Amino acid sequence: QITLQESGPTLVKPTQTLTLTCTFSGFSLSTSGVGVGWNRQPPGKALEWLAVIHWNDDTHYSPSLGGRLTITKDTSKNQVVLTLTNMDPVDTATYYCAHRKIGSGFGYWGQGTLVTVSS
Amino acid sequence: DIQMTQSPSTLSASVGDRVTITCRASQSISSWLAWYQQKPGKAPNLLIYKASSLESGVPSRFSGSGSGTEFTLTISSLQPDDFATYYCQQYGIYPWTFGQGTKVEIK
Repeated sequence: QITLQESGPTLVKPTQTLTLTCTFSGFSLSTSGVGVGWNRQPPGKALEWLAVIHWNDDTHYSPSLGGRLTITKDTSKNQVVLTLTNMDPVDTATYYCAHRKIGSGFGYWGQGTLVTVSS
Repeated sequence: DIQMTQSPSTLSASVGDRVTITCRASQSISSWLAWYQQKPGKAPNLLIYKASSLESGVPSRFSGSGSGTEFTLTISSLQPDDFATYYCQQYGIYPWTFGQGTKVEIK
């Protein structure tokens, strides 16, 4: 079955760079039509889409993050990495990675990881 | 960016009620719309994709309809397990965007 797991720091300081890793199983990111995305949710607030990368390296980002995001994949390790530079307290949120197939929404999600930005 | 506006923001209903949530897009997204259910402290769960396709394993009391800019999620007979927050998401035009959520509460 498909599973995803986020990992990374739970606490980062303002101006630091956040690096989150999504390790998955049950599918390959080299399979046509497959993608992995990142979403986040500040405490008590709505979901926000951040980025997605597809099997063919088609990649898209939310412009609201002003160019601070990078998403990469390592097909051999079954991992997708998200980096977010210049962290600010407003970036405090639970970060989720999720799987999708072309034509569908995010059908499988990781459990999420809470990242707090504080000095 | 496409704005997704859900209504209502909060809905109070009883077990057995028929519940409808609306999602409006600021421009046409064809049928590229998904609905998710989220419970406190949990990841979202995909209910509907492509506006009206039921995700595998999701109970048939959930249904979706609409195209273009107007979409609805209907729960035909609300069950105790359905009290949660529901989000729509458009994935037709980048950047993808979520609605602000609709919380379904016990009346």
